[in-house]
Amino acid sequence: SQTIHQWPATLVQPVGSPLSLECTVEGTSNPNLYWYRQAAGRGLQLLFYSVGIGQISSEVPQNLSASRPQDRQFILSSKKLLLSDSGFYLCAWMAKIGTGVNQPQHFGDGTRLSIL
Amino acid sequence: AQKITQTQPGMFVQEKEAVTLDCTYDTSDQSYGLFWYKQPSSGEMIFLIYQGSYDEQNATEGRYSLNFQKARKSANLVISASQLGDSAMYFCAMREYRSSNTGKLIFGQGTTLQVKP
Repeated sequence: SQTIHQWPATLVQPVGSPLSLECTVEGTSNPNLYWYRQAAGRGLQLLFYSVGIGQISSEVPQNLSASRPQDRQFILSSKKLLLSDSGFYLCAWMAKIGTGVNQPQHFGDGTRLSIL
Repeated sequence: AQKITQTQPGMFVQEKEAVTLDCTYDTSDQSYGLFWYKQPSSGEMIFLIYQGSYDEQNATEGRYSLNFQKARKSANLVISASQLGDSAMYFCAMREYRSSNTGKLIFGQGTTLQVKP
């Protein structure tokens, strides 16, 4: 069965410090991968997605970046965190089965990031 | 314009009763998929149920069913026999056919459901 691991679960960082959040998927190959951010009590904002190794699409201009160095690894980074980067970050994967609309995205447990 | 609208920010339901969470959507694609997710206070997003635009039957998964009214562009989630563990935030999401390769989902703003004992 497929599993998704996301770490760390919580992170407290000072303004201006770097960031690296990691997400790995097991039990599948060549998945689509996604990074979302969620403000408290709000909906999900898609930040980045990737359909393959080295292929990153950005949805929202910001000081975050993403990389996919391996097939099942997705990394969210920042060189200098801002207060506005606080939030709940979720990684998700989706199997590439067929060309339809029916595959759900499956989410990790998330990282709660607080910027001080 | 909002593509997914969940008009109920918060709802209460008595334990063991049924509850309907509303979702309306807007798309010009003929083929699309609709998804519901549950997010407990711990934060993980749990996939509940899927409805395809060409599905003739309403989707059901255990206590979850989807009241799909295509002409009205609504895909309401019905939870039967509510349990205390159903207390969570619920999100409706859509994937349009134009996004089938990227897999991108459009999410609503969510509805917080509280089940009363």
